[in-house]
Amino acid sequence: DAKTTQPPSMDCAEGRAANLPCNHSTISGNEYVYWYRQIHSQGPQYIIHGLKNNETNEMASLIITEDRKSSTLILPHATLRDTAVYYCIVRARNAGNMLTFGGGTRLMVKP
Amino acid sequence: NAGVTQTPKFQVLKTGQSMTLQCAQDMNHEYMSWYRQDPGMGLRLIHYSVGAGITDQGEVPNGYNVSRSTTEDFPLRLLSAAPSQTSVYFCASRADRRSGNTIYFGEGSWLTVV
Repeated sequence: DAKTTQPPSMDCAEGRAANLPCNHSTISGNEYVYWYRQIHSQGPQYIIHGLKNNETNEMASLIITEDRKSSTLILPHATLRDTAVYYCIVRARNAGNMLTFGGGTRLMVKP
Repeated sequence: NAGVTQTPKFQVLKTGQSMTLQCAQDMNHEYMSWYRQDPGMGLRLIHYSVGAGITDQGEVPNGYNVSRSTTEDFPLRLLSAAPSQTSVYFCASRADRRSGNTIYFGEGSWLTVV
């Protein structure tokens, strides 16, 4: 798996967009970028994934740079319930093993 | 649809005791796995299974055994509990390789070894 680098923590004001960066400079051509989050005392939750095009779903948007060496997860209108640890993971879509989680970014949404 | 169900949610063990953490999924997923998460840390893979009758080791397998006799169930056994195994344990499952890597997690089992 390609290694990812995320800031350990970030703050965001409630109602504003939260932009969470992730560097994955060693990503290979068949590897996807996945984002999960873990709210305190709960199991991790899938958010979104993408290969090279920007993606959007009901939870978030994923912006991947043209060289694919970095990406940004965007929560358009952060709420207090979005306070969580966000994990950026790079993995081939058909990889046999389970995902490897790093330290993630602890996002604190403040009123 | 219950998803991934783990039991028990909380457990206290004495050093040297053995126990089994249960995990069941009702999504007919081929892949199942167990992770542990220590305070302030990310998840580390203990064991995983790519189908009934097939298991393999992850990053931190020592002190744990698994089996996969059915598609639905993937129990994790602690053979002789040690304080270092105090952690939160998460079971996870996903569909086969062709369906991508979206993983579904259970709610976690909090284990304390005294």
